[in-house]
Amino acid sequence: NAGVTQTPKFQVLKTGQSMTLQCAQDMNHEYMSWYRQDPGMGLRLIHYSVGAGITDQGEVPNGYNVSRSTTEDFPLRLLSAAPSQTSVYFCATAPFSGGGYEQYFGPGTRLTVT
Amino acid sequence: KQEVTQIPAALSVPEGENLVLNCSFTDSAIYNLQWFRQDPGKGLTSLLLIQSSQREQTSGRLNASLDKSSGRSTLYIAASQPGDSATYLCAVRFSGGYNKLIFGAGTRLAVHP
Repeated sequence: NAGVTQTPKFQVLKTGQSMTLQCAQDMNHEYMSWYRQDPGMGLRLIHYSVGAGITDQGEVPNGYNVSRSTTEDFPLRLLSAAPSQTSVYFCATAPFSGGGYEQYFGPGTRLTVT
Repeated sequence: KQEVTQIPAALSVPEGENLVLNCSFTDSAIYNLQWFRQDPGKGLTSLLLIQSSQREQTSGRLNASLDKSSGRSTLYIAASQPGDSATYLCAVRFSGGYNKLIFGAGTRLAVHP
């Protein structure tokens, strides 16, 4: 049982390049989400999904796309990277979408855009 | 607006001290509050989860309390050790909507020998 896994661990992009951050979970969790962490600002929600085929925007969705074709995977796409997207990205999951369930975080992807 | 604030932003203490980290939130309608630990360059480790119906949770030397009416939670660390040095994050799951967590900016703790 690997829990929540994220790849890659580190990535450097040039402005305008595209890439996909991967998140996978093996806990059959319904809810998956992406956060970004910037110095002094805590974590902020980018996008979330309440089940396969259902996604919605969080606080800071601009510049990011998501899709969820399976329960296990929730990739985050940067279509045209900008220096403002330099951050650490965390994927989080919870068993169900409603209520107060504990959330489980992946190890993070550190992204630098030059 | 739903906000979470953590005070102090940084704390340096000698080994062996008992210490308290504070978290305040703006809306008493919450599902739960979760405390995390984050080591430099690493991910988040969940320490304690307090449901809205609970007043406190304990795990080893850690004790977290919750007072919804005043919008406050404290994380008490007993007999601090250098290995406790890390950033501690408080996150609140407010009622309504889906599982969005609102995070505080964290308290950076340094415990020196």
